[in-house]
Amino acid sequence: DQQVKQNSPSLSVQEGRISILNCDYTNSMFDYFLWYKKYPAEGPTFLISISSIKDKNEDGRFTVFLNKSAKHLSLHIVPSQPGDSAVYFCAARGRSQGNLIFGKGTKLSVKP
Amino acid sequence: NAGVMQNPRHLVRRRGQEARLRCSPMKGHSHVYWYRQLPEEGLKFMVYLQKENIIDESGMPKERFSAEFPKEGPSILRIQQVVRGDSAAYFCASSPRGDTEAFFGQGTRLTVV
Repeated sequence: DQQVKQNSPSLSVQEGRISILNCDYTNSMFDYFLWYKKYPAEGPTFLISISSIKDKNEDGRFTVFLNKSAKHLSLHIVPSQPGDSAVYFCAARGRSQGNLIFGKGTKLSVKP
Repeated sequence: NAGVMQNPRHLVRRRGQEARLRCSPMKGHSHVYWYRQLPEEGLKFMVYLQKENIIDESGMPKERFSAEFPKEGPSILRIQQVVRGDSAAYFCASSPRGDTEAFFGQGTRLTVV
């Protein structure tokens, strides 16, 4: 049973346009959500996070939106750049829990 | 993520041998997590440790796998009597506290032949 789901294995976007990556979760005890970016043969790199008490967090070109009632979060990248091409993982953590639960990832390709 | 050091980067073992994977957390981080990534899969949690303590090992297979994070030195993930199914990328992450983001190392790619 997957508690964190990324239903789109891949996404292709034109350079300069917006990339929207989606993530759904099933566990209502999750209270902290994160996005990681991963290049081949490298470890995941932390991008941005959001606490369950917020519905939006913004950092430069990256914005994460959280809809608790729908148990859904999304990562917006605008404008998208070719260097953003990577696999993006959504992760969640529950209260008093240290470990992260990851989705299977979405491979983003940004075409020049 | 350059601060979390994992070695070796690549490890080849024959079936039945032991594999030892090392992880030095970022300076000031006392929380260490191990994850495994199989091909075409996400990262699966294995174990969460603090210095000298295992906090959560719910993701660790019951047999052949063990982990430690001693008072001095790196965290070690040990796999005894490796099998082909153990071939994967093993990632270590660290954090200063249990309620913040974790920073990952480059991973160790284990290949069992």
